Amino acid sequence: ELKVEQNPLFLSMQEGKNYTIYCNYSTTSDRLYWYRQDPGKSLESLFVLLSNGAVKQEGRLMASLDTKARLSTLHITAAVHDLSATYFCAVDSGTYKYIFGTGTRLKVLA
Amino acid sequence: NAGVTQTPKFQVLKTGQSMTLQCAQDMNHEYMSWYRQDPGMGLRLIHYSVGAGITDQGEVPNGYNVSRSTTEDFPLRLLSAAPSQTSVYFCASSYSRGGLNYGYTFGSGTRLTVV
Repeated sequence: ELKVEQNPLFLSMQEGKNYTIYCNYSTTSDRLYWYRQDPGKSLESLFVLLSNGAVKQEGRLMASLDTKARLSTLHITAAVHDLSATYFCAVDSGTYKYIFGTGTRLKVLA
Repeated sequence: NAGVTQTPKFQVLKTGQSMTLQCAQDMNHEYMSWYRQDPGMGLRLIHYSVGAGITDQGEVPNGYNVSRSTTEDFPLRLLSAAPSQTSVYFCASSYSRGGLNYGYTFGSGTRLTVV
């Protein structure tokens, strides 16, 4: 059974700092997705990673996938307050059945 | 495009009542899923469908039924509501091209309270 773990669960960081969120999963998959959720809102797609070594960047966020290590990272560069949200990774188990991590709640302090 | 539409947005049920959460998408997506979101638990998959007439169970299917008679609609039925089903429910749809799935588009959610 596929398990997806994220860490940290909570992250409080100063504006301007860098940090990385980790997503580990338990079985083979080369399809991983990152989402953002603002409080009380739905989920918004951030990145789609579909192969080993895939790297995607958008603004201050960069996501990568290492399928051999079963690890994806979401790197935040020079954080700003607007990035405060909860970030989820999700892994496709191979049958279009997505399993989500528990999320990382990010708070960027001014 | 409306995307993924969920109704209702809010609902209060009494224990033992049944109801159907509606989900419709207008993007001709093959794949649809229902998730529930509880504090500290992330999103847990209830049921999913890979096409009209085809459904399967997710991580937490007990107490819920689904059907997929058309590509557009994927309703979730609560058979006999229990307080443990108090949650926010999200419906999502997705498509694939060349064997690759490009991620789910989520509806706005239904906040359900069972008293």
